Amino acid sequence: AQSVSQHNHHVILSEAASLELGCNYSYGGTVNLFWYVQYPGQHLQLLLKYFSGDPLVKGIKGFEAEFIKSKFSFNLRKPSVQWSDTAEYFCAVNADTGFQKLVFGTGTRLLVSP
Amino acid sequence: DAGVTQSPTHLIKTRGQQVTLRCSPKSGHDTVSWYQQALGQGPQFIFQYYEEEERQRGNFPDRFSGHQFPNYSSELNVNALLLGDSALYLCASSLQARGSGELFFGEGSRLTVL
Repeated sequence: AQSVSQHNHHVILSEAASLELGCNYSYGGTVNLFWYVQYPGQHLQLLLKYFSGDPLVKGIKGFEAEFIKSKFSFNLRKPSVQWSDTAEYFCAVNADTGFQKLVFGTGTRLLVSP
Repeated sequence: DAGVTQSPTHLIKTRGQQVTLRCSPKSGHDTVSWYQQALGQGPQFIFQYYEEEERQRGNFPDRFSGHQFPNYSSELNVNALLLGDSALYLCASSLQARGSGELFFGEGSRLTVL
């Protein structure tokens, strides 16, 4: 069965610090990869996605992620975080690409202190 | 353009009861998926509806059932509630023709089973 691992459950950073959240998945075939964000009191929103092509994908609000196939990883990065980035971040994989069925990681809670 | 709307937002039930949750997809979307998010966990796929039929199902018992109506809205029904069914239930909509396209999530229905 597919699974997604997010290594950091809680991350605390100061504003302007750099961010990297790890995500690894277990599936050997073609996958589509996603990062979703949930701001306090809001619904899940898509941050960025990878389907094919350039393994470095850019999303909203200055976030980017790199797909490394050999490592089964899709880590999320941001060079300089802001207080407004405080949220929970979920990595997700869709290996059953015809059915839009996502397998999510357990999430990482990010707290950015001003 | 209305996003995904879910009702009710919160509800409390007792063990053995039945519950129905409702979802209206984003305008123009024809596919509805349901996810269960337990406390501290990522969302888990329950099932997906397209053309009023269940197309895919996750690892959930038959107590979980659903329906999709001709206007694409959907219901999730859970029978014989257990304490472990307490969770946030998320509805996500998408456009089937987009294949592995983005899912749009509602804010969820928080179910507490006492």
